[in-house]
Amino acid sequence: GDSVTQMEGPVTLSEEAFLTINCTYTATGYPSLFWYVQYPGEGLQLLLKATKADDKGSNKGFEATYRKETTSFHLEKGSVQVSDSAVYFCALSDQLGNQFYFGTGTSLTVIP
Amino acid sequence: SAVISQKPSRDICQRGTSLTIQCQVDSQVTMMFWYRQQPGQSLTLIATANQGSEATYESGFVIDKFPISRPNLTFSTLTVSNMSPEDSSIYLCSVYGAQNTGELFFGEGSRLTVL
Repeated sequence: GDSVTQMEGPVTLSEEAFLTINCTYTATGYPSLFWYVQYPGEGLQLLLKATKADDKGSNKGFEATYRKETTSFHLEKGSVQVSDSAVYFCALSDQLGNQFYFGTGTSLTVIP
Repeated sequence: SAVISQKPSRDICQRGTSLTIQCQVDSQVTMMFWYRQQPGQSLTLIATANQGSEATYESGFVIDKFPISRPNLTFSTLTVSNMSPEDSSIYLCSVYGAQNTGELFFGEGSRLTVL
């Protein structure tokens, strides 16, 4: 069945460092891909999404490109801030949009 | 988008008791989803609640333990029954947006601690 595998955490970075959180997926057909962020004590918020191959989702300086050839959707940010400290979830919605699959989450801590 | 309000935001409960979590959405939606997030874990779908029919439960979750109500198109409740410490989790209500753009929107969650 469909699934999402993301990089284990926790990740600790210094402010202004480059961030990559890896995410790969297994799916039949053409799923939609998402990154969600969960700030401490809050629910999940959509960070960005991509609905077809080669699409690039971007928001708040974060980017991820839907790579069908490598079945990947890695999250990147060129310069992280302390306020980016959160848990990041990669997610997949199957081709029919009936099921969502979440990765295990990657905890990011950015230190000044 | 969709704005989702959940109550309570957090609670501390005694073993053997039950707690009902409420979820209110600012628009009419066909399906509402209830997820569980155990400490340090990812999200697990408990059930899908459709208005006017019984909820559909995922493997490992049963109606006796997690009864769900869906009285109208903007509201749902999840009850966690006969709680044990293993039920300590964040419970999240979720819906698709009214624009049907494919993403899920989440409430802020209800953080339950069972002693």
